[in-house]
Amino acid sequence: GAVVSQHPSRVICKSGTSVKIECRSLDFQATTMFWYRQFPKQSLMLMATSNEGSKATYEQGVEKDKFLINHASLTLSTLTVTSAHPEDSSFYICSAENRASGANVLTFGAGSRLTVL
Amino acid sequence: AQTVTQSQPEMSVQEAETVTLSCTYDTSESNYYLFWYKQPPSRQMILVIRQEAYKQQNATENRFSVNFQKAAKSFSLKISDSQLGDTAMYFCAFMKRSQGAQKLVFGQGTRLTINP
Repeated sequence: GAVVSQHPSRVICKSGTSVKIECRSLDFQATTMFWYRQFPKQSLMLMATSNEGSKATYEQGVEKDKFLINHASLTLSTLTVTSAHPEDSSFYICSAENRASGANVLTFGAGSRLTVL
Repeated sequence: AQTVTQSQPEMSVQEAETVTLSCTYDTSESNYYLFWYKQPPSRQMILVIRQEAYKQQNATENRFSVNFQKAAKSFSLKISDSQLGDTAMYFCAFMKRSQGAQKLVFGQGTRLTINP
């Protein structure tokens, strides 16, 4: 079946540093990937839509300069949290559409837990 | 804009019982998909079941079935013969139908616990 790999699964960083999270589609190509943020015991909130070869589309209220998204190839999208602060601590999840699973069906990565000290 | 509402924050049933999770949504779209995703303690999102809005027949996947009421904009999930492994957060989600990938809009989630 389709697999979306997310790395790292856990990361701890110091306040003020930047952290990069990778999202890879392992056996399919994804022109579009999505990045979500999930706070404890809450739902998934869409942050941005990552488009291969073009700029990401950010949801209202999400700072694009804070959360940099790069979708340089059909199998890789990266989310960089710049100048991280403790309030950026969260669970970040990516997803991608795999047409083989059916149109408009998204496969999710296992998520990345970011802790900013 | 689309909204998805899950009115049951938590539910708990005994193993082997049947449980129904509620979901309502609001949209002006005529073509769309509805989903139920499961998020166990591992936090991995797993697709449980998918319904295409233009199909009147309710989707079923083994022990999981939905009651899709398009006019009422209701999409409930029934889990039959519940198992301990069904313990998880369950999210109802909406997606506009399109040629290209579309974003999912999630409900608030229902925490389901299956007790032995």
